[in-house]
Amino acid sequence: QQPVQSPQAVILREGEDAVINCSSSKALYSVHWYRQKHGEAPVFLMILLKGGEQKGHEKISASFNEKKQQSSLYLTASQLSYSGTYFCGLLAGKLIFGQGTTLQVKP
Amino acid sequence: EAGVAQSPRYKIIEKRQSVAFWCNPISGHATLYWYQQILGQGPKLLIQFQNNGVVDDSQLPKDRFSAERLKGVDSTLKIQPAKLEDSAVYLCASSLFPGRGNTNEQFFGPGTRLTVL
Repeated sequence: QQPVQSPQAVILREGEDAVINCSSSKALYSVHWYRQKHGEAPVFLMILLKGGEQKGHEKISASFNEKKQQSSLYLTASQLSYSGTYFCGLLAGKLIFGQGTTLQVKP
Repeated sequence: EAGVAQSPRYKIIEKRQSVAFWCNPISGHATLYWYQQILGQGPKLLIQFQNNGVVDDSQLPKDRFSAERLKGVDSTLKIQPAKLEDSAVYLCASSLFPGRGNTNEQFFGPGTRLTVL
């Protein structure tokens, strides 16, 4: 039931783009995205709801494909501050988080 | 606005000892969550409160873990006795809306890093 994230890790240069995928074996109703920097608490990025409602954050956007049971997080023109571990969370009575994708942005 | 407060930040104990963690959510947040985050993994929900009632504790190891939220504000999570596999970061989070609060963003505290030797 835990969502599967891919890739597990990404290394980028500043200004490059990245995509993080989150797949579920069950139907999606809402997907939450959080970012956690090393040694810090997770911080909310956005929620995607069935029906298309979306919230954005900085230059980070996301898509929600109900048919594919998948959500993707898009980070454009990445900045050093984007480094951290990104978690998707699927709502199934409670929020179930994926294993995380570690993003490292280098100068 | 003050965030979610947790204490202590770090705790080292021997196995079979007891430990307690404290959480103070954001003022006005009816829903409170305790998560366990093992190194390299995503947070796993242990227990969810709405006000002072338990909404979900299906993943709480009840033979050793207990949690309470008296008066619907502060909460404590206790482990007694601790095992080696309990070594993790324990995160407290809160959200604004009660009931189906999972549709709203959760605000996390800094966490308590527990090491069981």
